[in-house]
Amino acid sequence: QSVLTQPPSASGAPGQRITISCSGSSSNIGGNPVNWYQQLPGMSPKLLIYNSNERPSGIPDRFSASKSGTSASLVISRLQSEDEADYFCETRDNNLNGRLFGTGTKVTVL
Amino acid sequence: QVQLQESGPGLVKPSQTLSLTCTVSGGSISSGPYSWTWVRQPAGKGLEWIGRVYPSGSTNYNPSLKSRISMSLDTSKNQFSLKLSSVTAADTAMYYCARVARQLASAMDVWGQGTTVTVSS
Repeated sequence: QSVLTQPPSASGAPGQRITISCSGSSSNIGGNPVNWYQQLPGMSPKLLIYNSNERPSGIPDRFSASKSGTSASLVISRLQSEDEADYFCETRDNNLNGRLFGTGTKVTVL
Repeated sequence: QVQLQESGPGLVKPSQTLSLTCTVSGGSISSGPYSWTWVRQPAGKGLEWIGRVYPSGSTNYNPSLKSRISMSLDTSKNQFSLKLSSVTAADTAMYYCARVARQLASAMDVWGQGTTVTVSS
């Protein structure tokens, strides 16, 4: 099934570390690199991680990611108030022959 | 610095065709390891990939929308466009255009600010 499942929400206090999961299948995450996007309130999405674990220039090293099997994870370390946003994973789905976004996770900084 | 800007009518009547244009500045749409894509987001919901157009003009569409979509490039104006036919209220959303970078695992590395489209009579 072509769905990338993320937890609806995640939260943490400033300075803490949180992990967001993205669960897929062999037709998507299992065979393709994963990208992650951050969408601040009222803004366009912004590329955060590409190729499963690489950061574009300008993205702080507090953001890291990994992929294993049919799942991927985004880690935000040293959480800051400006990290409050929605986060989406994204990858290619071979069955769809197209791109697929995760369901999205809203991060709240307590 | 490449920038993208969406344009088009904010209101479309049911059963009509939605037409949007994305103007690219700061770079050519026909050169480099890039293709061009549309993504939409209903209010308060997640992102949905609509389709992608390559510099060659070839396209790749979301199967759920494929029967209603047409995407194309206009290299003379450095623009690409989206047409979505037979719209219903379910097509009401923010529509984003974005650049796809092949060298970044086909990540969408530059986004427009988005344009809101409402389908209503």
